[in-house]
Amino acid sequence: DGGITQSPKYLFRKEGQNVTLSCEQNLNHDAMYWYRQDPGQGLRLIYYSQIVNDFQKGDIAEGYSVSREKKESFPLTVTSAQKNPTAFYLCASSSTGTGVSEQYFGPGTRLTVT
Amino acid sequence: AQSVAQPEDQVNVAEGNPLTVKCTYSVSGNPYLFWYVQYPNRGLQFLLKYITGDNLVKGSYGFEAEFNKSQTSFHLKKPSALVSDSALYFCAVRDSGNTPLVFGKGTRLSVIA
Repeated sequence: DGGITQSPKYLFRKEGQNVTLSCEQNLNHDAMYWYRQDPGQGLRLIYYSQIVNDFQKGDIAEGYSVSREKKESFPLTVTSAQKNPTAFYLCASSSTGTGVSEQYFGPGTRLTVT
Repeated sequence: AQSVAQPEDQVNVAEGNPLTVKCTYSVSGNPYLFWYVQYPNRGLQFLLKYITGDNLVKGSYGFEAEFNKSQTSFHLKKPSALVSDSALYFCAVRDSGNTPLVFGKGTRLSVIA
């Protein structure tokens, strides 16, 4: 899982509560990403950021928010507006220099909302 | 818009036999193609990528992939499967160096002893 940490590994929340998932990287990567994984649906992009203080919505941004105040950190908040938040959340990072680089993934956070 | 299709949800293969996990892609420009593997409750691990050049790309753990432009395919292969290769495999594509990867839905590989 390289130099990307996600905490906690498992998270339980009651419906109606906001929850923030942590993602930190020490790879000196400019770009960071959040994906959601559901069984049989692959990975779907929530938000991504290519530089500090800037981020873009992905395919399923509704009900989520992010911030990118530091290069190393890209926290994801799952708000009460997200209709079906129970899922496995994966953070990734990549360099943005010359060439085409792969994305490196963290170990993931499994969120369960009841 | 770019997309990836993995036509098989599940692939079963006997240990020692060759394995193939299929992937086809759609992209407007030059494709940059990737394969990742995921073990249960873990993040994705990078296996290999195709950027340009040789159509046969070699990667980690003995895996390789063949790029076929005319068939828009990028199938993952291994000459001799191991039980430890059993996992979920994802194909992904991007159409430029800095855009996010777009993933297929994944193929579960089961290698039977």
